Amino acid sequence: KNQVEQSPQSLIILEGKNCTLQCNYTVSPFSNLRWYKQDTGRGPVSLTIMTFSENTKSNGRYTATLDADTKQSSLHITASQLSDSASYICVVIEGTYKYIFGTGTRLKVLA
Amino acid sequence: NAGVTQTPKFQVLKTGQSMTLQCAQDMNHEYMSWYRQDPGMGLRLIHYSVGAGITDQGEVPNGYNVSRSTTEDFPLRLLSAAPSQTSVYFCASSYTGTSIETQYFGPGTRLLVL
Repeated sequence: KNQVEQSPQSLIILEGKNCTLQCNYTVSPFSNLRWYKQDTGRGPVSLTIMTFSENTKSNGRYTATLDADTKQSSLHITASQLSDSASYICVVIEGTYKYIFGTGTRLKVLA
Repeated sequence: NAGVTQTPKFQVLKTGQSMTLQCAQDMNHEYMSWYRQDPGMGLRLIHYSVGAGITDQGEVPNGYNVSRSTTEDFPLRLLSAAPSQTSVYFCASSYTGTSIETQYFGPGTRLLVL
């Protein structure tokens, strides 16, 4: 069964610190991998999209990496801010239209 | 552009009642979809549409109907609500639905079925 697993489930860090979120997947055929940010009570917002041939993609303080051989991805957040407090969701697209969502990592940034 | 809009924001239903969740987008996107989000689970696809007049089932379609008469609108209908349909519902859209496009989500509708 195609699955997307994220770790940790939740994370608390101090403002200004860096953190890394993990995503492992068993999706085939793999099309691309995305990271979304979801603020409480809002819809997910796309951060990065990576295809099979891309190893890294940045969006401001967010940097995503992809290792298609080991089927792992990570999202690194640099110099965290209070506004980074949210759930971060890893999504792997199987084929063309099938989006498989992970359960997310809930990040809390403390002042 | 307003992006993807959803109404209502909140709704309480009694078991057996029917209702329609509205979704509209003003970006001329062909692909639209409905998801539900439950605690401890990833978003799950209910139905999707690749264009006006074309709809298809997703992972959890039972208990839900959709239609796509225009490019802009993609309503989700619950014919006979059940407590298991208590969830947060998100509508999303993208240009053609092909895999490398950005997908835009609406703000969600919180539904409680008693």
